[in-house]
Amino acid sequence: QVRLVESGGGVVQPGESLRLSCAASGFVFSDYGMHWVRQAPGKGLDWVAFIRYDGDSQYYGDSVRGRFTISRDSSRTTVYLHMHSLRPEDTAIYFCAKEHANGELLDFWGQGTLVTVSS
Amino acid sequence: QSVLTQSPSASGTPGQRVTISCSGSSSNIENNYVYWYQQLPGTAPKLLIYKNNQRPSGVPDRFSGSKSGTSASLAISGLRSEDEADYYCAAWHDSLSGPYVMFGGGTKVTIL
Repeated sequence: QVRLVESGGGVVQPGESLRLSCAASGFVFSDYGMHWVRQAPGKGLDWVAFIRYDGDSQYYGDSVRGRFTISRDSSRTTVYLHMHSLRPEDTAIYFCAKEHANGELLDFWGQGTLVTVSS
Repeated sequence: QSVLTQSPSASGTPGQRVTISCSGSSSNIENNYVYWYQQLPGTAPKLLIYKNNQRPSGVPDRFSGSKSGTSASLAISGLRSEDEADYYCAAWHDSLSGPYVMFGGGTKVTIL
């Protein structure tokens, strides 16, 4: 069955960097685009980034564009989120999710990893 | 970037029908598919409806989706206690700077 396991979260200071990983299994990883979505404590869902199935296109939310980079490694069936210049408002649970089909939105989500940005 | 507009709360008694609305624009809902997600407390979101009105396998037919113009709706019929959760709509938003995914602000459904 589909499995997505996020890791790499933790506590960092403002301005620091962090790399999140999402290990995927149970489906043909190279056939699906992947998303990152975050949820601040007690708040709604905030879309972060998407990478196409072949890695050729990436899209970002306004609040992270220029600071975050999404990438993927098909040999490791893993998608990454490289986060730089972190701000307190980036504090959230970060979920990775696979797209339902090419060009469609998210279907299966991982359980998330918590990122806390605080001095 | 703004969000799709959802009413913050809805409620009903067991067995009743509840409808959640999601309002957008021609750049998102009108010209793209709408998806609905259910998030139970402390868990990851789960896909309920895709491509406006399609249910993934395993989702009960008590859940149904529809779309008209720039608005979409999720209906839950025969409310059950386990339906108490947050519900989010989502759609791709087309923009000159590149597409992005827009989520609704979420609707908390309470079973009375």
